[in-house]
Amino acid sequence: NAGVTQTPKFQVLKTGQSMTLQCAQDMNHEYMSWYRQDPGMGLRLIHYSVGAGITDQGEVPNGYNVSRSTTEDFPLRLLSAAPSQTSVYFCASSRGAKGTVYGYTFGSGTRLTVV
Amino acid sequence: DQQVKQNSPSLSVQEGRISILNCDYTNSMFDYFLWYKKYPAEGPTFLISISSIKDKNEDGRFTVFLNKSAKHLSLHIVPSQPGDSAVYFCAGPPGNTGKLIFGQGTTLQVKP
Repeated sequence: NAGVTQTPKFQVLKTGQSMTLQCAQDMNHEYMSWYRQDPGMGLRLIHYSVGAGITDQGEVPNGYNVSRSTTEDFPLRLLSAAPSQTSVYFCASSRGAKGTVYGYTFGSGTRLTVV
Repeated sequence: DQQVKQNSPSLSVQEGRISILNCDYTNSMFDYFLWYKKYPAEGPTFLISISSIKDKNEDGRFTVFLNKSAKHLSLHIVPSQPGDSAVYFCAGPPGNTGKLIFGQGTTLQVKP
């Protein structure tokens, strides 16, 4: 059972380039989320989804797009990368209605550097 | 607007002693709170949760206390072990939104 798989693990982008961070889960979880972790800022929610075809913005959505065409996949797109998007990105999923009693399962992260 | 706050960036304790990590929240709409543990280069892992209708939840060495009037929760680790050294995050879902909001994290160091 793979859990939550994120690819790539590391990426260096030039300012203005675009890319997609991939996230896939094989637990048939309804809820999926993207977070970024920055020093002193904790984990900040970028976008989240409560089911296929449904997405919503989190705390820091600017510069990022998401879609949820299947239950398994929740890709995060950077349309025009900026140095401020240098961060570690985590994808998470949960089976619970509120993702609380069961907790969220996190992937191992993608470390992104924008130069 | 930081809805979940961890005001202590770091904590250092001796092995065998108690570790107390604190968290404050501003939104009374949280139904549950969770604690996560994170090692370097790994994703956070779920540790323990507490419902807003309870004031204590215990799981082995880990106990979470909730004080709703003070909008404060704490995680107690007894006894602390060197393997507990990690970053600890508290988190909560504001209302029935499906999203989880995290605090800034506290780095715990347990010295042998």
